Amino acid sequence: GEDVEQSLFLSVREGDSSVINCTYTDSSSTYLYWYKQEPGAGLQLLTYIFSNMDMKQDQRLTVLLNKKDKHLSLRIADTQTGDSAIYFCAERTDGSGNTGNLIFGQGTTLQVKP
Amino acid sequence: DTGVSQDPRHKITKRGQNVTFRCDPISEHNRLYWYRQTLGQGPEFLTYFQNEAQLEKSRLLSDRFSAERPKGSFSTLEIQRTEQGDSAMYLCASSPRGPGANVLTFGAGSRLTVL
Repeated sequence: GEDVEQSLFLSVREGDSSVINCTYTDSSSTYLYWYKQEPGAGLQLLTYIFSNMDMKQDQRLTVLLNKKDKHLSLRIADTQTGDSAIYFCAERTDGSGNTGNLIFGQGTTLQVKP
Repeated sequence: DTGVSQDPRHKITKRGQNVTFRCDPISEHNRLYWYRQTLGQGPEFLTYFQNEAQLEKSRLLSDRFSAERPKGSFSTLEIQRTEQGDSAMYLCASSPRGPGANVLTFGAGSRLTVL
């Protein structure tokens, strides 16, 4: 079946780079997403990548996709205390928009120390 | 438009009571989704609407759960005879037709506590 796995916790110092990793099992994934969730809040879409890409950069965020190893990573450059949150990786297998099912990982808690 | 709105933000109820949550999607979005998130876990898919049609339901959506989107705009999620295991955050999301259909915008969620 489909499964998405992430490490549970990452601690970095302010100004360092953070790298959050995710692995998925479904080779038919079409879209892969990174969402951010702050305490008590909903999910904020950070970025997403289509499966025919291997890299996407958006300001401080860099997403790398290794389809062969089914590995996705999110790099946050110059990490700030405001980046402290839970980061969720998610995959979607149907790119037609005709289904609603995103499969989420368990989330990685990012702690940024001043 | 301020995004996806959910109401109430927090509901505390006693076991056995019925509860209803409302979601107002972004106005031009025709797709609407409900997810459930329990503590320490990622969101899990419950159900999906395209306009007023409910196209997909997860096995997590037991007979006590019902979702509607009668006019293709706002949606309600009702839980009957609540159980303590229903305690969770219920998240609504929406997406537009066309190229953006795969980009879901989530609301802040409705937290349910069943005593």
